[in-house]
Amino acid sequence: DADVTQTPRNRITKTGKRIMLECSQTKGHDRMYWYRQDPGLGLQLIYYSFDVKDINKGEISDGYSVSRQAQAKFSLSLESAIPNQTALYFCATSAGDRAQETQYFGPGTRLLVL
Amino acid sequence: ELKVEQNPLFLSMQEGKNYTIYCNYSTTSDRLYWYRQDPGKSLESLFVLLSNGAVKQEGRLMASLDTKARLSTLHITAAVHDLSATYFCAVVLPGGYNKLIFGAGTRLAVHP
Repeated sequence: DADVTQTPRNRITKTGKRIMLECSQTKGHDRMYWYRQDPGLGLQLIYYSFDVKDINKGEISDGYSVSRQAQAKFSLSLESAIPNQTALYFCATSAGDRAQETQYFGPGTRLLVL
Repeated sequence: ELKVEQNPLFLSMQEGKNYTIYCNYSTTSDRLYWYRQDPGKSLESLFVLLSNGAVKQEGRLMASLDTKARLSTLHITAAVHDLSATYFCAVVLPGGYNKLIFGAGTRLAVHP
């Protein structure tokens, strides 16, 4: 089984709708992240969380919100989706081991906003 | 503001040839990562480079870091088709929060 899972894997929605993307991990990591990737570009950080009570904005948090329901679960919400939020969304986790702290990525959610 | 630039953005290589991808970043950082992404797939960690002069190798890929020049390179030796993918470098933003700033990626196509 995958260590970092994301649901749904694909989603089509309409402008103005509220949607939630979910991320779960079995790696036992404290730190979780949400990124978006636009075609031909690198990843941009939306939000990150270092534990259940710690939520921080990333580079591009406007129009998004998150919830850390448990150590293993981190959800991203689009309160009122707009077409320029069409992108590939990745969740990632890391252990907090200062020496390396590699981020491990989920399979991604492809979102299309019409 | 930390900026990360990769070049080239697209690289078409012949099998068996060598080439280097470059990653420049604009401010001091203590960690740099290389990731691989296959089309439609997630990102796979390749290397983490922690100190000046660090060199890591895995198969036909070798990554190095020069923190003084703020430059990392990913060298490909005797390319094979299986290396076709997009390669990203990512630099940790100073401040202790493990925030990664990604380059735009280098799309590598290896052909016969």
